[in-house]
This record gives sequence, structure tokens and C-alpha cells, in this order.
Amino acid sequence: GAVVSQHPSWVICKSGTSVKIECRSLDFQATTMFWYRQFPKQSLMLMATSNEGSKATYEQGVEKDKFLINHASLTLSTLTVTSAHPEDSSFYICSALVPRAGNQPQHFGDGTRLSIL
Amino acid sequence: GQNIDQPTEMTATEGAIVQINCTYQTSGFNGLFWYQQHAGEAPTFLSYNVLDGLEEKGRFSSFLSRSKGYSYLLLKELQMKDSASYLCAPMDSNYQLIWGAGTKLIIKP
Repeated sequence: GAVVSQHPSWVICKSGTSVKIECRSLDFQATTMFWYRQFPKQSLMLMATSNEGSKATYEQGVEKDKFLINHASLTLSTLTVTSAHPEDSSFYICSALVPRAGNQPQHFGDGTRLSIL
Repeated sequence: GQNIDQPTEMTATEGAIVQINCTYQTSGFNGLFWYQQHAGEAPTFLSYNVLDGLEEKGRFSSFLSRSKGYSYLLLKELQMKDSASYLCAPMDSNYQLIWGAGTKLIIKP
């Protein structure tokens, strides 16, 4: 079945550092990927929709310059948290849309736990 | 607007049956998904309903009534490993999943 690989799974870094998270579709082409953020005991919050070859669509309240998304190929989307601060600490999860999958259009990566000191 | 309504938390006994209800309102509808999410992990797919009725998949079954904006997930022969959050996620007309906070299911011996 379709597999989405997300890397790294855990990041701890100092305030002011920029962090890049990768999301890869391993055995299918993903024209659309989604980036979510989840705080403890809260629901998944869609941050942006990433479309291959075009600019990402950001949800209201998500800073485009803070969370840079690049989807340069059909198998890779990246999220860069620029100048990260402690309030950016969260669980970030990507998913990829498989249009022809029938009953499972979104496959999730394992998530990245980001901790900013 | 779009919204999901599920109980925040449920408790059940190992070996028993539990039904998790979900009501939803979306802009358009392209089916409804149930996901399981263990603490600290990403969601994993459980089931998908696009037509009214019951879909059975092993110990898990999911039901949908589109006219009522209602779905439920039925878990049978509960095991301790079923302790997790269960997320009801309808898909809107843009093929985006709408997420609620989910139902935290606690299984007791």
C-alpha cells in the first residue's frame, strides 16, 4: 500500500533556529500534500495544502513567511519552520492525497515532534 | 460553517462493545473517514463510508446516514490496545478532511 515517510521524527533545537521537515511519498506520486499541526489533546489543525509545482494554500491564521512550504517534485514536500520559537513546539504531521486510492485518499506520515528550547 | 461533534471521552471494558457517535456539518460531502490515533502518533486509517449503511471490517464497523449527517464507529471484542482517540473526519467538496478533537476511548480490564 501507499506509504508516506516523514523525517525527522523528533527535533530539539534552540530558539531562533530554522527547522526543515520532509514528507515523501515512497511508492506513489502525490500531487497534493497536507501539513497539519497538533497540540496536546487537541484536534489536527490543517496548516496548508501543498500542490506540486505551485504555491501552497495556507489556512487562515498561518503565517506564510513563518512556515515555508516547498513541493518541488511529485514525491517530496518540505515544511520549514523559520526562526522557530518555543510557541512553535508541536507535533507536525504531513499527509499525501492519493486521488485514485478509492477509499483512502490521505496517507499520513509518522509525524515530527518539534521542541524549541 | 463546518463542524464535527463527538463525545470527548468514553470508557469501556475489555471484551465488550462500544459505539462512538459522530454528527457533522460540511460544505459538500465526499465520504466520511474514521481514523485511530494513539497518543504521540499520527492517525491511522480505519474505515470509509460514502453511501448510507454499514461497512464491516473485522472487529470494527462504521455506519453512515447522509441525510442525518450522522455516523458511528462500532468496536467489538475490545482489547486493551484499542485505547486511543478515534477521529471522525468527513470530506468536504474540496476533498479536504474536516477534523474534530476526536473521542478518547479508555479500555479497562
